[in-house]
Amino acid sequence: SQQGEEDPQALSIQEGENATMNCSYKTSINNLQWYRQNSGRGLVHLILIRSNEREKHSGRLRVTLDTSKKSSSLLITASRAADTASYFCASSYNTDKLIFGTGTRLQVFP
Amino acid sequence: KAGVTQTPRYLIKTRGQQVTLSCSPISGHRSVSWYQQTPGQGLQFLFEYFSETQRNKGNFPGRFSGRQFSNSRSEMNVSTLELGDSALYLCASSLSSGGAHEQYFGPGTRLTVT
Repeated sequence: SQQGEEDPQALSIQEGENATMNCSYKTSINNLQWYRQNSGRGLVHLILIRSNEREKHSGRLRVTLDTSKKSSSLLITASRAADTASYFCASSYNTDKLIFGTGTRLQVFP
Repeated sequence: KAGVTQTPRYLIKTRGQQVTLSCSPISGHRSVSWYQQTPGQGLQFLFEYFSETQRNKGNFPGRFSGRQFSNSRSEMNVSTLELGDSALYLCASSLSSGGAHEQYFGPGTRLTVT
């Protein structure tokens, strides 16, 4: 399968804690993107990080990219109940298409 | 700007029938991609259209087809429906093709095949 692998598959934390999700991919990429999906609805784009970037921030989100290990991580700081969702990484290979990972289900308890 | 819209939102069909789903992209976006999402297979890429041309296609049988019109609106057709086609079908629009830019997703069409 061309899909990336995400780890963990599921994560449960308390409000205020940090959540870290990891994504591994298989071949050289142009960029890697993170998306959020609430309860079977459409996906919402969070962050795009290009292959020549190592770290990117957006509000409480921090994304890192390690091209030597073919992996990325998404850190959500000071989690809120509203962050409860599934998070997907998506890799762009050779401007071919976007391939989504298997996703991490995050549950944040109040 | 209005977001990506998909119609219908819900659909129930019988095996053997065909179905057409519609997607209207964000104004100015020329790329429309379609995905199938199921609990077992996750998000799978179906195809992408850019300026009325199919740019990429995923590993789906020929029963799945699509097209894009000159106004960038796109339709997806599934013929001879099977039970396994029950899924959430998502379309996404983008400024460019091939995943070079972020994609904006519609709410999806929930298809149930009985």
